[in-house]
Amino acid sequence: EVQLVESGGGLVQSGGSVRLSCAASGFTFSSHWMHWVRQVPGKGLVWVSRITSDGSSTSYADSVKGRFTISRDNAKNTLYLQMNSLRAEDRAVYYCARGVGGSTSCCAFDYWGQGAQVTVSS
Amino acid sequence: QSALTQPASVSGSPGQSITISCTGTSSDVGAYNFVSWYQQHPGQAPKLLVYDVSKRPSGVSNRFAGSKSGNTASLTISGLQAEDEADYYCCSYAGSYSLVFGGGTKLTVL
Repeated sequence: EVQLVESGGGLVQSGGSVRLSCAASGFTFSSHWMHWVRQVPGKGLVWVSRITSDGSSTSYADSVKGRFTISRDNAKNTLYLQMNSLRAEDRAVYYCARGVGGSTSCCAFDYWGQGAQVTVSS
Repeated sequence: QSALTQPASVSGSPGQSITISCTGTSSDVGAYNFVSWYQQHPGQAPKLLVYDVSKRPSGVSNRFAGSKSGNTASLTISGLQAEDEADYYCCSYAGSYSLVFGGGTKLTVL
C-alpha cells in the first residue's frame, strides 16, 4: 500500500524557517517525481514545487522561489521541503504528492499524504 | 501563473449528469494535454480522478470523464451520487516546469 506521511509542521515566526519531511513507503520511491502542494484551509490547492526522481532537477512556484528548497533522499525514501524567510501568506496545509508514473510524472499526482500544517505568526 | 477559472459551485440531483469547466489560456490548458482533475472531501487529501485530459486511474469510476476543447477543460460526472458531493479541482501544466490549479468547484448533490 502506497503511503506518504508528512511531518515537521507547526508554528513558526515570520521570517523563520521550518523543514517538512515526507516519508514514503509501499512503492519504489526513486522511480517517481515528487511534488509539494499547499492549501490554506477553506481555500484552493496551490502547486509549490517538484523534484525529479533522481533529484537532479527542481522547480518552484514564483511565490516561493528563492525561499523554499525541495530535496529528496532516495536511500531513506524521504522527500523534504526546506522553507526559509516564511511569511504570513505561507500559512497552509502542505501536502506531499507522488507524480503519476511515466511521462505524466511532471503533471499529475496519484497519491497524496494527509498534510502538514504550517502556521506563521507575526 | 494565474489560477485556472472554475465555477465556484455547481449542483445536480441524484442520477443526473453535471459538467465542471476549467478555463485557462493558450499557455497552459490550450498548450498541453496535461490536465488533471481531483476530488476533495472535507478534511481529506485530494484524490486523482482524471489525468492527461481524459485518462482515469485504476479504481476510479467510469462515471467521471474528462475532455478538453481549446483553452477549456471539462469534467463530467454522470449518474450523480450523494458521495460525489465534494470540492473538485483542475490542474494543468503551464510550461517552464510549473503547474497551476483551478480555484475549485463545490459540487452539491440536491
